[in-house]
Amino acid sequence: GENVEQHPSTLSVQEGDSAVIKCTYSDSASNYFPWYKQELGKRPQLIIDIRSNVGEKKDQRIAVTLNKTAKHFSLHITETQPEDSAVYFCAAKGFQKLVFGTGTRLLVSP
Amino acid sequence: DSGVTQTPKHLITATGQRVTLRCSPRSGDLSVYWYQQSLDQGLQFLIQYYNGEERAKGNILERFSAQQFPDLHSELNLSSLELGDSALYFCASSPRGLAGGGDTQYFGPGTRLTVL
Repeated sequence: GENVEQHPSTLSVQEGDSAVIKCTYSDSASNYFPWYKQELGKRPQLIIDIRSNVGEKKDQRIAVTLNKTAKHFSLHITETQPEDSAVYFCAAKGFQKLVFGTGTRLLVSP
Repeated sequence: DSGVTQTPKHLITATGQRVTLRCSPRSGDLSVYWYQQSLDQGLQFLIQYYNGEERAKGNILERFSAQQFPDLHSELNLSSLELGDSALYFCASSPRGLAGGGDTQYFGPGTRLTVL
């Protein structure tokens, strides 16, 4: 079945810096890759997603890139702000289910 | 607010007991998914229902069961509870399901279950 690995597990940056979180997946048939942000004790919220027919997608300060050949995708956050501090989860659509990575705790210091 | 509602928000119970968690999907969504999130852990997929029928199963224990009713709300039943069942239980919904290109899943606020 699908397996998703996510790195790093923790990421600390200064406000204004960029942050990059990387995920790899195992199932070459996967074709949908969402990213979720989860604040402490709250629900995961979709922040961006990408489908396998595109290589990059941007939404303001957030971008996702997908390399199907290498089976990895990355989340890029530019000009980070303290309110970006949260746990970020990547996911890949496997057979009949979304498989989530283990999460990256992002801490943005003022 | 995602439009997905879950009740109750918190649940405290004892080992060996049985509880029912409830989820109402976004208006118009046919698929409901259940996830378990233990402390500082990722999201573990439990089960999916689509328009009243079970569609996919993940790491769901035999002590757990779920169903989706004609009005599309879903219930997750957890029985013979153990300490290790303490977790956040999320429900998510999507318009269709994961066939084809995949649907965006919208998560509810979760139910925090504490087993003492």
